[in-house]
Amino acid sequence: NAGVTQTPKFQVLKTGQSMTLQCAQDMNHNSMYWYRQDPGMGLRLIYYSASEGTTDKGEVPNGYNVSRLNKREFSLRLESAAPSQTSVYFCASSEDSIDGNTIYFGEGSWLTVV
Amino acid sequence: QQQVKQSPQSLIVQKGGISIINCAYENTAFDYFPWYQQFPGKGPALLIAIRPDVSEKKEGRFTISFNKSAKQFSLHIMDSQPGDSATYFCAARRGGSQGNLIFGKGTKLSVKP
Repeated sequence: NAGVTQTPKFQVLKTGQSMTLQCAQDMNHNSMYWYRQDPGMGLRLIYYSASEGTTDKGEVPNGYNVSRLNKREFSLRLESAAPSQTSVYFCASSEDSIDGNTIYFGEGSWLTVV
Repeated sequence: QQQVKQSPQSLIVQKGGISIINCAYENTAFDYFPWYQQFPGKGPALLIAIRPDVSEKKEGRFTISFNKSAKQFSLHIMDSQPGDSATYFCAARRGGSQGNLIFGKGTKLSVKP
């Protein structure tokens, strides 16, 4: 049972380059998320998708785009990378109920923009 | 504005001691309060969670205390062990099953042997 799988694990980009972070979950969850984690800043939501075919901006969406390709896959694209986007990126999915949302995170993607 | 304020930023506890991490929130529409645990190089994982109609929830050595009137909740780790050394995040959900989680900035806990 893989859970949430994201690739690549590590990436170094030059300023202005583009790249896509891939994410897939095998838990049949409706909701998927992209977070970034920076020292002292906690986890900040970039984009989320409440269901297949829908996406919404989170707290820090500027400079990013997302695609919910199907129920399993949710990708994050950096069109023109900037040093400020150096971060650890986490994809996640959740099973949602009125009693609570359990979010399952991937292992993270370490991105450095030079 | 920071909707969930977490303190302290870092915490050092001796083995066998009690670790206490505090969080405060402003939005009374929050309806679900989980704690996540993250080990270095890994993604966060759900540790324990509480809803506002309960004042305390205990799972093993981990307890959440919830004070609705003060809009505060805390994580207590009893008999802290070196294996508990990790970063802990509190979070709060905007109301409803589709609500997103708002995370605190995290507390790095070190348990000394």
